[in-house]
Amino acid sequence: GAVVSQHPSRVICKSGTSVKIECRSLDFQATTMFWYRQFPKKSLMLMATSNEGSKATYEQGVEKDKFLINHASLTLSTLTVTSAHPEDSSFYICSADGTRLDTQYFGPGTRLTVL
Amino acid sequence: SQKIEQNSEALNIQEGKTATLTCNYTNYSPAYLQWYRQDPGRGPVFLLLIRENEKEKRKERLKVTFDTTLKQSLFHITASQPADSATYLCALDIADSWGKLQFGAGTQVVVTP
Repeated sequence: GAVVSQHPSRVICKSGTSVKIECRSLDFQATTMFWYRQFPKKSLMLMATSNEGSKATYEQGVEKDKFLINHASLTLSTLTVTSAHPEDSSFYICSADGTRLDTQYFGPGTRLTVL
Repeated sequence: SQKIEQNSEALNIQEGKTATLTCNYTNYSPAYLQWYRQDPGRGPVFLLLIRENEKEKRKERLKVTFDTTLKQSLFHITASQPADSATYLCALDIADSWGKLQFGAGTQVVVTP
């Protein structure tokens, strides 16, 4: 149980285009989902907290107009990287709160490469 | 936020030995502390959670201790196997932020046969 999927697993795009990443909780409902990014050999950095039916809460320094988050249902949250640039290239990971609010279940991650 | 420190150098260990990893934090003591395993190119996988009022937690070959006086958690892998090779992350809950976690950079463990 407590499986979280992400799609796509890898994406390569041209600079200036927008990319949407989906995060789904497959066998449970997640009121809250979190979005992280991770650089090689670095820690996961929390970008934003996504709550179903309400606006996402962004961490300090994260541009909300650049990283659009939508949490339309209890099983789906999306992250759209708008007008992507090479510096947005990173590993993006989502997680979802299960029935235990002190445990997060992580997706497999999405590798974004912006050329 | 607080500073979380994990050994940045990889831990090389022989199969069958016990691997011990350290997670130190600098400021407030968290309500709970978690350990995750992350394989290359994959998302973290939850391993263990220990609360501030618990001293030790075990799960199969894994053991976690939590010392709020030292502001430190130790993570042990006993009878290590090559399949245990991965990066291990500690994560602390963020005060007054429901459900949010702050992660350390992780320690890579390499178990050789």
